[in-house]
Amino acid sequence: DTEVTQTPKHLVMGMTNKKSLKCEQHMGHRAMYWYKQKAKKPPELMFVYSYEKLSINESVPSRFSPECPNSSLLNLHLHALQPEDSALYLCASSPGLAGGYEQYFGPGTRLTVT
Amino acid sequence: GNSVTQMEGPVTLSEEAFLTINCTYTATGYPSLFWYVQYPGEGLQLLLKATKADDKGSNKGFEATYRKETTSFHLEKGSVQVSDSAVYFCALRPSGNTGKLIFGQGTTLQVKP
Repeated sequence: DTEVTQTPKHLVMGMTNKKSLKCEQHMGHRAMYWYKQKAKKPPELMFVYSYEKLSINESVPSRFSPECPNSSLLNLHLHALQPEDSALYLCASSPGLAGGYEQYFGPGTRLTVT
Repeated sequence: GNSVTQMEGPVTLSEEAFLTINCTYTATGYPSLFWYVQYPGEGLQLLLKATKADDKGSNKGFEATYRKETTSFHLEKGSVQVSDSAVYFCALRPSGNTGKLIFGQGTTLQVKP
């Protein structure tokens, strides 16, 4: 099973709302990632977790708050977003951080901020 | 620094044509190289990978060879199908334990019947 699942598939939220994106994998991977992808662009790395600890934060605004409650689950908490935050949010996982490991991506959550 | 450059698209081909999508990279050390494919409205799927020089990755009729001397990882397929229409991303993972995946800009492939 090489599946990464993400919920919800679509999300529409106002600028004052608080919402969360969820990502799950059952491959025993110890590294998990959040990416943001705008239309017709490659994914941009936001956060990297390794063994449930935050390893990389690519200078992401604090209105995005990641959480890794256990090795299978990764959340992204959203608060006071801006319309320019509308994008496809992708979660990925890999066995570890070493360069030879491929990352497996989920289907993404399409976020629209109104 | 590390970077990936892909040929600009869109690439438009007729069914059964030969496909080449060029990818070159800049990296220190010994990166691993990947091709991902993204179908409309979906996430990225790993298509193939190569972890050292002269390795050939292959999957579903696609193949790419890690050429250190030309710093290239071109994607090829002998006979494309309409179902291959998608965006293709070349990517590298630097050696070491950063976890980072550096993407090219993506190349859109349109295959017409």
